[in-house]
Amino acid sequence: DAGVTQSPTHLIKTRGQQVTLRCSPKSGHDTVSWYQQALGQGPQFIFQYYEEEERQRGNFPDRFSGHQFPNYSSELNVNALLLGDSALYLCASSFGSGYTFGSGTRLTVV
Amino acid sequence: AQSVTQLDSHVSVSEGTPVLLRCNYSSSYSPSLFWYVQHPNKGLQLLLKYTSAATLVKGINGFEAEFKKSETSFHLTKPSAHMSDAAEYFCVVIVFSSNTGKLIFGQGTTLQVKP
Repeated sequence: DAGVTQSPTHLIKTRGQQVTLRCSPKSGHDTVSWYQQALGQGPQFIFQYYEEEERQRGNFPDRFSGHQFPNYSSELNVNALLLGDSALYLCASSFGSGYTFGSGTRLTVV
Repeated sequence: AQSVTQLDSHVSVSEGTPVLLRCNYSSSYSPSLFWYVQHPNKGLQLLLKYTSAATLVKGINGFEAEFKKSETSFHLTKPSAHMSDAAEYFCVVIVFSSNTGKLIFGQGTTLQVKP
């Protein structure tokens, strides 16, 4: 049974560019959440998708957007990248209160 | 607002000695609390969770945590540290809104295990 799969694992982008990160949830999970983990910090909640709709959102600007597909997979899009967007982006899928995290995408903005 | 505070940013122990990682929570209702571990360049792995059942929760790899409402604490312990326990540990609380939950993480505690 596959866990949460994220792609790509590493990414380098230039300031001002746009990026799309992808997440395939664990089998049986219908909810996907995204977290940003800056170096030396705990993960910060970005947003959560359920039934293809954004259900909750953290304190992140509109440059951060997402999508959930009918197969429950999800994308995180970040526009107009800033140096401060460099971080590990974690996807977590859940069903009820059971959360499973992927290994993350390391985004570096130069 | 619900939150967690990890009282130590860095803990260093010798192999074979006990581990104590401290976490205090703030919640207006009975919280659901978790401990996660993150090894370098890896994702987050659930160690254990408390969801209003037994106050002493046993997790994987010999870890356990005790929920103490009077002290608003949820400290993580292990009787004997192993070198493989060296990692970053996060205390986490679920915050519910509109029937969905989001995880709020503490700042993390780095556990160093010396030979």
